[in-house]
Amino acid sequence: GEDVEQSLFLSVREGDSSVINCTYTDSSSTYLYWYKQEPGAGLQLLTYIFSNMDMKQDQRLTVLLNKKDKHLSLRIADTQTGDSAIYFCAEDPDDKIIFGKGTRLHILP
Amino acid sequence: SQTIHQWPVTLVQPVGSPLSLECTVEGTSNPNLYWYRQAAGRGLQLLFYSVGIGQISSEVPQNLSASRPQDRQFILSSKKLLLSDSGFYLCAWRRGYGYTFGSGTRLTVV
Repeated sequence: GEDVEQSLFLSVREGDSSVINCTYTDSSSTYLYWYKQEPGAGLQLLTYIFSNMDMKQDQRLTVLLNKKDKHLSLRIADTQTGDSAIYFCAEDPDDKIIFGKGTRLHILP
Repeated sequence: SQTIHQWPVTLVQPVGSPLSLECTVEGTSNPNLYWYRQAAGRGLQLLFYSVGIGQISSEVPQNLSASRPQDRQFILSSKKLLLSDSGFYLCAWRRGYGYTFGSGTRLTVV
């Protein structure tokens, strides 16, 4: 079946690292994604990882993929107030993308 | 450049009224197009997707329907809205890897 699970909330102090975790079910996904949604806005592709990769780093963002456990994580280094948003993990079996319910990241001063 | 447009931005409709949300894409041809709904406190639910003109796949049975009358136009409709149809509706198109989303339509059914 198709199911993407992630925790609903995460609170992190400004300047610390944020780690958002996700599990997925479909091993046929070519790509796995992290999307960011700011209040009242649509979704913005934050980063993605090809399914044959283990890690991808892009400035403050690090994506780790464990294909054996079907586990994906997003690490945001030096978390800033502008990182406050909902982060969606997603897999893409076939021609459609399946999202998790989203993790709301709250930044503490 | 490739862009996606959705309208209206916000909509308040009474129960039982019809609905038509429109999405158009520019700068590409034969895109895969998608309609998602984000209800309060819930994640993104895939409603419909289309891989070509007149081709619609429905993911969730409901009182909504979709049509693709032109290559870059995707329409979400309902003949009679229910309270449970309230939510944030997002159109998206697939460009190789990843999806590009429109800015969304917030629908409130009263």
